[in-house]
Amino acid sequence: DAKTTQPPSMDCAEGRAANLPCNHSTISGNEYVYWYRQIHSQGPQYIIHGLKNNETNEMASLIITEDRKSSTLILPHATLRDTAVYYCIVIVGGNKLVFGAGTILRVKS
Amino acid sequence: DVKVTQSSRYLVKRTGEKVFLECVQDMDHENMFWYRQDPGLGLRLIYFSYDVKMKEKGDIPEGYSVSREKKERFSLILESASTNQTSMYLCASSLNGQGTDTQYFGPGTRLTVL
Repeated sequence: DAKTTQPPSMDCAEGRAANLPCNHSTISGNEYVYWYRQIHSQGPQYIIHGLKNNETNEMASLIITEDRKSSTLILPHATLRDTAVYYCIVIVGGNKLVFGAGTILRVKS
Repeated sequence: DVKVTQSSRYLVKRTGEKVFLECVQDMDHENMFWYRQDPGLGLRLIYFSYDVKMKEKGDIPEGYSVSREKKERFSLILESASTNQTSMYLCASSLNGQGTDTQYFGPGTRLTVL
């Protein structure tokens, strides 16, 4: 599975959009981009995934560049409860998950 | 919504004890996984199962065994707990391991071995 690069931390004001970037320049054609988050001492929570097209669900939007070498997770109206570590993973479905260091998102009031 | 539950959130055991960690999913998923998560080491796969009574070793199976007698239940067994098995244990399940197959996690069990 391709490697990803994420900034170690980001801050966001409550109520604002949080935009979390991820680079995956070695992604191959059959690999999906997945996002999970993990709130302290809890299990990882699935957020969203995509292959080529932009995706949106009730939690977030995923924007994937046309060349698929990078993506952005958007939380449209961040709340304090969105403070967590966010993991971007590139994976072929069914393979084991490998979490990198992720991005620590701190939402501040 | 997918629901994956784990038998305990926190567990304290003594060295040498036999430890059972249980995981149950309610979505009729074929695949189930056991990971451990340690600071600086990320997520590591211990065992996984793609069907009842089937199991496959992950990256770090030593000191662990698993059991899957029913589709919805996947148990992790520490035959003789040691202090280096102190960790956060995470169970996950996924539908069938094909294509876009999302893994859903339980809340985790934080195990301390004294």
